[in-house]
Amino acid sequence: EVQLLESGGGLVQPGGSLRLSCAASGFTFSSYAMSWVRQAPGKGLEWVSSISGSGDSTYYADSVKGRFTVSRDNSKNTLYLQMNSLRAEDTAAYYCAKVFQGIVYYFDYWGQGTLVTVSS
Amino acid sequence: SYELTQPPSVSVSPGQTASFTCSGDKLGDKYTCWYQQKPGQSPVLVIYQNNKRPSGIPERFSGSSSGNTATLTISGTQAMDEADYYCQAWDSSTYVVFGGGTKLTVL
Repeated sequence: EVQLLESGGGLVQPGGSLRLSCAASGFTFSSYAMSWVRQAPGKGLEWVSSISGSGDSTYYADSVKGRFTVSRDNSKNTLYLQMNSLRAEDTAAYYCAKVFQGIVYYFDYWGQGTLVTVSS
Repeated sequence: SYELTQPPSVSVSPGQTASFTCSGDKLGDKYTCWYQQKPGQSPVLVIYQNNKRPSGIPERFSGSSSGNTATLTISGTQAMDEADYYCQAWDSSTYVVFGGGTKLTVL
């Protein structure tokens, strides 16, 4: 059974930093791209970042480019999101998601999410 | 950047057919998938590659795509289907894009 468990969310001041983690199990982690998707309170889904299975390729939404860094440790089956220079508009639930990538690109499994609140 | 547009809400009576549209430039040339999200829960994939259902998704969920519009249809809508529905596609310039979501109310 695929399981994705996010952690690391919390309250942080504007301009601060936070690192999210996503522990994966139930599949061959290194074989799949992974992504972070966020959802601001009462708002829709927003793709944040993706990383290839090997970790060699990374992709970011314009809204976080230059501030967030996605990485993975395949030996620990763990995905990370380093978030720097946080802003109030980064307040959201952050989900990690397993990517199905072939001729299509979609998220077949999602974690339960971790809440990030940016406020003074 | 690429954008997907969804109407904010759809209302149906139990047993009726609910249709959700997702519009984007030449969307029919891409593959669209759909997620269901109930309050307080994580999204769940209900349709991928325009019209394929993952295992465990009821047959009443179906999808199609043509031209600039993809459509999710729920036949015989049930109260348990009340949720937000999001379309998603992949675009070479924007990478992953979600529609704004449609809230389904089952009256």
